[in-house]
Amino acid sequence: EVQLVESGGGLVQPGGSLRLSCAASGFTFSSYWMSWVRQAPGKGLEWVANIKQDGSEKYYVDSVKGRFTISRDNAKNSLYLQMNSLRAEDTAVYYCARARMVRAPGAFDPWGQGTLVTVSS
Amino acid sequence: AIRMTQSPSSFSASTGDRVTITCRASQGISSYLAWYQQKPGKAPKLLIYAASTLQSGVPSRFSGSGSGTDFTLTISCLQSEDFATYYCQQYYSYRALTFGGGTKVEIK
Repeated sequence: EVQLVESGGGLVQPGGSLRLSCAASGFTFSSYWMSWVRQAPGKGLEWVANIKQDGSEKYYVDSVKGRFTISRDNAKNSLYLQMNSLRAEDTAVYYCARARMVRAPGAFDPWGQGTLVTVSS
Repeated sequence: AIRMTQSPSSFSASTGDRVTITCRASQGISSYLAWYQQKPGKAPKLLIYAASTLQSGVPSRFSGSGSGTDFTLTISCLQSEDFATYYCQQYYSYRALTFGGGTKVEIK
C-alpha cells in the first residue's frame, strides 16, 4: 500500500524553527517528485515547495523563500521541510504529497494525513 | 504565478442534482489541470488529472473538461458522499504550483 506519514508538527513561538518529516512506503520513492502543501485553519490549499526525484531542483512559494528548505533522503524514503523564522501566518496543517506520475511534477496523489504546525506565543 | 479562480465559492444542492464547478486560469495552462475533493478533517483526494482523465477508483459521475484557461468539473448525479469542498490545481508551471480557492458543495 502506498503511504505517506508526516510527523514533526507542534506548537512553536514566532521566530522559531521546526522540521517536518514525511515517511514514504509502498512505492519507489526515488522516482517521484515530492511536495509540501499547507492549509491554514478554515482556508484553502497552498502549495509550499517541491523537489525533484534526485533533489537537483527545488522550488518554493514566494512567502516561504529564504525561510523554508525542502530536502529528501532517498536512502531513507523520507522527505523533509525545515522551517525557520516561523510566523503566525505559517500556522497550518502541512501535507506531504507525491506526484501522480514517475519523473514528472504534476497532480498530487497520494497525500499524507497532515501534521499541524501552530505558530503562537 | 498563475492565478486560479474558482466559482462559485460555495453553493447548496440536493442529492441527484447535476452540478458544475468552474475554474479559470490567469493564463493558458493547456490541460495541466487537476481536481481534488476534500472532506472535513481529511486530506484532499485526486479526482481528475489532465483536465479530463478520471483517477482510478473515482466514480464515473465525476467528469472534467476544458483546456487553455477555462475548465469545469461536473458531478452528473450528486450523491450524499459528494458533499465536500473541491479544488482545482494547475501544474503547467511546476516551479510555482497553484490551487483555486475552493468550492464548497453543501446540502440544500
